[in-house]
Amino acid sequence: DQQVKQNSPSLSVQEGRISILNCDYTNSMFDYFLWYKKYPAEGPTFLISISSIKDKNEDGRFTVFLNKSAKHLSLHIVPSQPGDSAVYFCAAKGQAGTALIFGKGTTLSVSS
Amino acid sequence: DAGVIQSPRHEVTEMGQEVTLRCKPISGHDYLFWYRQTMMRGLELLIYFNNNVPIDDSGMPEDRFSAKMPNASFSTLKIQPSEPRDSAVYFCASRSSSYNEQFFGPGTRLTVL
Repeated sequence: DQQVKQNSPSLSVQEGRISILNCDYTNSMFDYFLWYKKYPAEGPTFLISISSIKDKNEDGRFTVFLNKSAKHLSLHIVPSQPGDSAVYFCAAKGQAGTALIFGKGTTLSVSS
Repeated sequence: DAGVIQSPRHEVTEMGQEVTLRCKPISGHDYLFWYRQTMMRGLELLIYFNNNVPIDDSGMPEDRFSAKMPNASFSTLKIQPSEPRDSAVYFCASRSSSYNEQFFGPGTRLTVL
């Protein structure tokens, strides 16, 4: 059973608009959440993260929101740029020493 | 600083052959992870090591898969014998115990004919 779910396989957005990528999780023991970005033929690269004690973290154009009661997090990209076109993975980590559990990813396409 | 290094980048082999994938983690990182990416299952964890010791291998699909980490700077993932359903991209990642972020290598694309 998937512990981290990204229910939208793809998302298309126009340049300059907001992109919102969503992620749901089932395990209430997760205490840290991350977003990774992946271009074709490359490995995933870390984008932004948030601890479970916070509800928002912002880094430039990227903001991650965490709703613990709903077990839901989202990544907002404002404004979206064509270079943001990639696969975005949501990941979660439980107690210290454990590995990241990834969602299946959402392919974002930003058109100019 | 060199990132995670994986070799080979591409591997094409025939069913029944042995395949060995290699990984060099970032120096100083004490965790190493092997993941497999497929369209159906996304990024799934196969096994991870802490200080060269396997901690959780519950994601290894079958006994045909094995992984070793003989020292802090090298790990291998072996498939013997390989099958067409093993075709996927295999990623190695490492991290320091001081941080939560994992750093991924470029991956090995494996095709088993």
